[in-house]
Formats: sequence, C-alpha cells, structure tokens
Amino acid sequence: KAGVTQTPRYLIKTRGQQVTLSCSPISGHRSVSWYQQTPGQGLQFLFEYFSETQRNKGNFPGRFSGRQFSNSRSEMNVSTLELGDSALYLCASSLTADNEKLFFGSGTQLSVL
Amino acid sequence: AQTVTQSQPEMSVQEAETVTLSCTYDTSESDYYLFWYKQPPSRQMILVIRQEAYKQQNATENRFSVNFQKAAKSFSLKISDSQLGDAAMYFCAYRPHMNTGFQKLVFGTGTRLLVSP
Repeated sequence: KAGVTQTPRYLIKTRGQQVTLSCSPISGHRSVSWYQQTPGQGLQFLFEYFSETQRNKGNFPGRFSGRQFSNSRSEMNVSTLELGDSALYLCASSLTADNEKLFFGSGTQLSVL
Repeated sequence: AQTVTQSQPEMSVQEAETVTLSCTYDTSESDYYLFWYKQPPSRQMILVIRQEAYKQQNATENRFSVNFQKAAKSFSLKISDSQLGDAAMYFCAYRPHMNTGFQKLVFGTGTRLLVSP
C-alpha cells in the first residue's frame, strides 16, 4: 500500500508569489491534516479536512488556505509569500476524522527568497 | 491550552545500550492520546509508539517502551538495545480524545538522538 505522497519535495519561491502544495493520502484514508515545521516555531497545526470539509483550522493568517477533493487528495495554498513562510510542510492522513493514528508524508520543503 | 515539553535537546547513546527520552505535558482533559514520533533525515514523521490515557498499562513496541505517569503528566520513551538506525529526531505529541477538544496533534520541540558504534 502506497504511503502519503507529497509533491513537490522542494520548492523555491520569491516574496509575494503564491504556492500550491499537494498531498495524496493513503488509499482509503478520508482525513487529511497539514502541519508546518520550522526551526523556530517547531511543528504547528495548519488545518484538517474530512470528506471535502475543513473541520479544524490552526492559528495561521488567511493567506494559508486549503481544500480537499472528492478522492481525498488535498492541496494547500499560500498566497503573498513572506520570508517567514519558509518551512517544511507536512501532510498526514488517517482513516477517519476521529482516528488518532496519523500517517505522515515526507513533506514539501518551501524556501522563500 | 495543551502544551508538550521535551527538556532534552540532544541525547547520545552507544549501540546496544538503553536510552530514555523525557516528555511532560499539560492538559486539563482526562482522556487523550500520547505519541512518540521519529523523524529521520528523510523528514517523514514515523509513529513509534502510542498510549491511550485511560489505559494504565504502559505501551510497548519491540525495543520501544514508555513510562506513562498520568498524575505527573509524564510520558518518557525508553529505547533498548539501541541501533544506528535509531538516530533521528524524536517528538513527543499529544492529541485530545475524539470526544473532547480540538482534534490536532500538539508536538514538543523534539530531542535529537545520536547513536554511536
């Protein structure tokens, strides 16, 4: 069974641009959540989707958004990039919204210049 | 708000020896989950072990075991017979039970484990 797939692995953008990251969950998993990992702030929750609905959102500005498609694949978008958005963005999937066993992808490393 | 604290930024162990990583947390909930995740250089977060707060018995997974002290809000990870492949960042994490609270993982700051031959 394939794991959680995140694309691309690496991204380099400049300030003011926007970026879209993709996450394909494990087959059969319907819940997808996103986390941001930085050296300064550590791992922080961004948002969670289940059945195409955003269930929870972390404390991030409105520039951070996401969505989930009917096949459970998810995308997150960051508009008007800032230097501080440079981070590893991790996606995790689980069978259901309430299943506590999360399986993570290898992340997308975003660098904002 | 729930918080997770890992007070050891880095730990070292020799192959075949035992090492214990510390974690404390703060919550007002009585039912929750605790986890240890391993993050090797590949960056993928890998679940090592999971503990349900209502279970008094400490979880074990092969060479990995936990010492869960609910009253003290302590959740340490013991790695026995350490192997070179155990070298990684280890994160302690908390998640409320599905019937209580905001469903998200709260992570500690991590402990880097170095394993020497």
